[in-house]
Amino acid sequence: AQSVTQLGSHVSVSEGALVLLRCNYSSSVPPYLFWYVQYPNQGLQLLLKYTSAATLVKGINGFEAEFKKSETSFHLTKPSAHMSDAAEYFCAVSDPGGATNKLIFGTGTLLAVQP
Amino acid sequence: KAGVTQTPRYLIKTRGQQVTLSCSPISGHRSVSWYQQTPGQGLQFLFEYFSETQRNKGNFPGRFSGRQFSNSRSEMNVSTLELGDSALYLCASSLGQDGNTIYFGEGSWLTVV
Repeated sequence: AQSVTQLGSHVSVSEGALVLLRCNYSSSVPPYLFWYVQYPNQGLQLLLKYTSAATLVKGINGFEAEFKKSETSFHLTKPSAHMSDAAEYFCAVSDPGGATNKLIFGTGTLLAVQP
Repeated sequence: KAGVTQTPRYLIKTRGQQVTLSCSPISGHRSVSWYQQTPGQGLQFLFEYFSETQRNKGNFPGRFSGRQFSNSRSEMNVSTLELGDSALYLCASSLGQDGNTIYFGEGSWLTVV
């Protein structure tokens, strides 16, 4: 069965510092992978997705993620944190060819950005 | 174009009652999925509808049901509400094909008292 593990339920960085949010997946086949962001009292907004094209995926707001099959990882990074990046981030996986849009989510990482 | 629209945004119900939540997908999207988000269980998949047919179902009791109409709008119903059903219910839509981007609505906040 597919699963997603997000290491670190809370991450705190200083404004301007590197953001690194970790995501590892478990899947019998290379999955589709997604990062979503959730601001307080809002729904989920897609940051980026990997669907077996380029392994380095660039998303919105300066975020990017690299798919590493050997490490079963899809970590999210941003070179320089901004105060507006404070939010909860979710990594998710879906089964390619599964004729479904079902997403399996990680438990989320709450990012705090200190001034 | 308009995003995924969910109504109502907030509601309070009493234990034992039932509730119906509505979701209007992005125009042209044929797949609608529902998720439950709680602090304890996180984001959990409820079910997905595609062209009025349930295509996939999560591990929730039969009290949770849904349907999709010919215009792709969807409703989910929870009967005999329990305190533990208090959650944010998120609707998501997509074109429904492999690898399509899945867009989420703002959610419906349900409180059961």
